[in-house]
Amino acid sequence: DAKTTQPPSMDCAEGRAANLPCNHSTISGNEYVYWYRQIHSQGPQYIIHGLKNNETNEMASLIITEDRKSSTLILPHATLRDTAVYYCIVSSNTGKLIFGQGTTLQVKP
Amino acid sequence: DTGVSQDPRHKITKRGQNVTFRCDPISEHNRLYWYRQTLGQGPEFLTYFQNEAQLEKSRLLSDRFSAERPKGSFSTLEIQRTEQGDSAMYLCASSGRTASSYNEQFFGPGTRLTVL
Repeated sequence: DAKTTQPPSMDCAEGRAANLPCNHSTISGNEYVYWYRQIHSQGPQYIIHGLKNNETNEMASLIITEDRKSSTLILPHATLRDTAVYYCIVSSNTGKLIFGQGTTLQVKP
Repeated sequence: DTGVSQDPRHKITKRGQNVTFRCDPISEHNRLYWYRQTLGQGPEFLTYFQNEAQLEKSRLLSDRFSAERPKGSFSTLEIQRTEQGDSAMYLCASSGRTASSYNEQFFGPGTRLTVL
């Protein structure tokens, strides 16, 4: 599975959009981009995934560049409850998720 | 459905003892995964089952570790002769029956193991 690179930490003001970047320059054609988050002391939570088109659900939006070498997870109106570690994972449909160290997002009032 | 459950939530044991953890997946899910997470790190894949068949084991899963899913429902993870390095959060996840949903995993709250 391809490797991802994320900034170790980011801050965001409450109510503003949080834009979390991820680089995955070695992504293969059959690999999807998945985003999970992990709130302190809880198990990871699936957020969204995509192959090449932009995706949106009730939690977030995922923007994937045309060359698929990077993506951005957007939380449109961040709240304090969005404070968590966010993991970007690239994987084919194997079920085997390889987590990196993720980005710690701190939403501040 | 109440989601993925794990028992116990916390376990403290002495080095050399055996421990067993249980995971109950979401009832309609046929895939079940085990991960281990140490402080400050992301979860590490250990093994997974499709129904009762164990399809892959990570090289992280030493001979002291064994996982079972005898009836394709709940699963157990046993660690024999525990070592201090086994101290971690052990996470269980499950996912649905179609290939497109294998990576959409629902995680339990984890079992935190402390080996003294």
